[in-house]
Formats: sequence, C-alpha cells, structure tokens
Amino acid sequence: ETGVTQSPTHLIKTRGQQVTLRCSSQSGHNTVSWYQQALGQGPQFIFQYYREEENGRGNFPPRFSGLQFPNYSSELNVNALELDDSALYLCASSLGGPIQETQYFGPGTRLLVL
Amino acid sequence: AQKVTQAQTEISVVEKEDVTLDCVYETRDTTYYLFWYKQPPSGELVFLIRRNSFDEQNEISGRYSWNFQKSTSSFNFTITASQVVDSAVYFCALKGHIFGTGTRLKVLA
Repeated sequence: ETGVTQSPTHLIKTRGQQVTLRCSSQSGHNTVSWYQQALGQGPQFIFQYYREEENGRGNFPPRFSGLQFPNYSSELNVNALELDDSALYLCASSLGGPIQETQYFGPGTRLLVL
Repeated sequence: AQKVTQAQTEISVVEKEDVTLDCVYETRDTTYYLFWYKQPPSGELVFLIRRNSFDEQNEISGRYSWNFQKSTSSFNFTITASQVVDSAVYFCALKGHIFGTGTRLKVLA
C-alpha cells in the first residue's frame, strides 16, 4: 500500500449536482495530483497542487476545482455534474512539486453520474 | 504536442512466456522522465519504474526489464517468464502526468 487514501470509495450523483472527493497524501509528500480515468482509458491529468497552490492543469473546464490544505491533503470539487464525468478519480502524491517525481496513487473514487 | 502511444490494446500469453509491452512517446523536451505503472483489477496504480532521459542503460529488476531508446522515442517493458499475477493493465507515462491508453495483459495458466 502507498499510504495514499481517498474517500469515498464509490459515489452516485445525478446530473447537475456537485461532488467533493478527498485525498490524504502519503506522509511527507507535499504535492498532490488528480486524474480522471474513464473506463478503458488511461488516466487524464486534471491538476496538481504543490504547497497549497495549483501548479499545473490539464484540459479540464473550470467546474473542476481543487484545494490543498496545510497538511497537504486535498479535495477535488466538480460542479454541474455531467454524465461524462462518470469515471474513476485517482489521487496521487509525490515529493517535489514541478519536478517529475514518482507519484504514489490512492485506490480511487468511482463516481457514477445518472 | 506531447503524447504517449501504447499501440497494443490487449495481449494474451500463456504462463512462463516472455512478453514485451511497447511504449512510444513524443516530446520536444530534451530532459524528461518516463514511467511505467501497473493497474491490477483493484484499480490502484502501482509504480514500477522511473527513468531519466539521460540514462539510456537498460534496467532489470527481477523478471522485469526495460529498454529505453531515445533515438526511436521508445521505452519498452518486458516481463520474463510471465505469471498469472502479472495480469493487469500496464501504463507508460511521460513526465509523470501524460499517460498512454494502457495495455491489458492477460496471463493464462
């Protein structure tokens, strides 16, 4: 196990609702990245937080937002949910911010939007 | 554009066979890192290797080996004497956050 935890494990929402996913990083890690993985696809980078600041963002609309807290845990918020948001959301922690360090992934949150 | 291509969608082998998973990447950066991750059915990605673009030496770790060729922008992964427990989806990633679409490996007993 990597020591990265995510909650909840599964979630069902309806279109238009808002959702918050949580991630606790591995002890000592100051960087958290979030990914969306649709069925049968590779993880798609949403954004990264380094020392509480957004440090990079993939091709996702502004309704995907995040936070990182002083203890380096993180939240992913998605507003106005769409059916295509149904996916596995993965959180990964690492040490070093913009440096391409090894990421350690959590088990993910499976989101189903109906 | 930066991207990773894993052309093999699914591979099936019989236990104890050797198998190579291909990874081709595109980047204009001169320095970068390449990664391989394993995703078992549980869903959690497991780190396998991180390689600096300056280091073109092949690497071996037990039954796993990696062949990095900068000239062809490839970073292939070979499993020797495959086992059923190797069954998973394997992802190649560029710079840590640019993933390929993965190769599903099925090892049959």
